[in-house]
Amino acid sequence: SQQGEEDPQALSIQEGENATMNCSYKTSINNLQWYRQNSGRGLVHLILIRSNEREKHSGRLRVTLDTSKKSSSLLITASRAADTVSYFCATEVRGKLIFGQGTELSVKP
Amino acid sequence: DSGVTQTPKHLITATGQRVTLRCSPRSGDLSVYWYQQSLDQGLQFLIQYYNGEERAKGNILERFSAQQFPDLHSELNLSSLELGDSALYFCASSVALAPTLPGYGYTFGSGTRLTVV
Repeated sequence: SQQGEEDPQALSIQEGENATMNCSYKTSINNLQWYRQNSGRGLVHLILIRSNEREKHSGRLRVTLDTSKKSSSLLITASRAADTVSYFCATEVRGKLIFGQGTELSVKP
Repeated sequence: DSGVTQTPKHLITATGQRVTLRCSPRSGDLSVYWYQQSLDQGLQFLIQYYNGEERAKGNILERFSAQQFPDLHSELNLSSLELGDSALYFCASSVALAPTLPGYGYTFGSGTRLTVV
C-alpha cells in the first residue's frame, strides 16, 4: 500500500492564485520530500523536510510537516501556467522513497 | 539533463519476451534505485543497489532482476513480459546510501516507456 496519500487528487486554479496540496503518511519517517513530474517525464526534486523540522521555504514553495498528525502540505504561491504538472510527496522509509499517488495541478491563464 | 541517463527511452515488445533497461547514475552517485510507474499502481519502488550490492527490495516480481556493475551503471531485466508490465520505468540515483542530507533528494532519469503488446 502507498505510504503517502495525497489530497486533492486534482486541483484547478487561476494563474496568480496559491495552490495547496496535502500529504498524509502512515509510519515514522526520516524525512519527507516533494517532487514534480511533467506528464510522462522524470521526477524533479523540489524540497526535503526532515522529521525535526516544521516548515521550510524554497522560492515560491512552502512545505510544512506535522509529525503528530503524520501530514505535510505543499503551498505554491503566485502560481504560473508552468506549474501545471503533477506533484508527489515521498517519505523515506529505511532508505527507500515511498511515493503517494500525486496531485495533478492545473493552472489556468 | 538531470545527469541520470536511461536507455532506451521507448521500447515496444511482445508478450513473453525479455528486455533490458539500462541506467547510468549521476557522476559520483553510488546508489541506484528502480521504480515502476503505471496508471493503476502509481510509483512503485522495485529495488536499490549501493556500490554494486543490493540494499533494498520492494515490489519487484520474480520475473524481474537487476544488477549494478563496477562502473556503477545498472540494468533492470524484465522477462516473460506480460501486458500488465507496460509502464514507465524510472531509475534514480543518490550520492548516499539514503538521501537524508539536507537539500538532497534523488535525481531521476527521464525513464523508459515500456509497451508490451
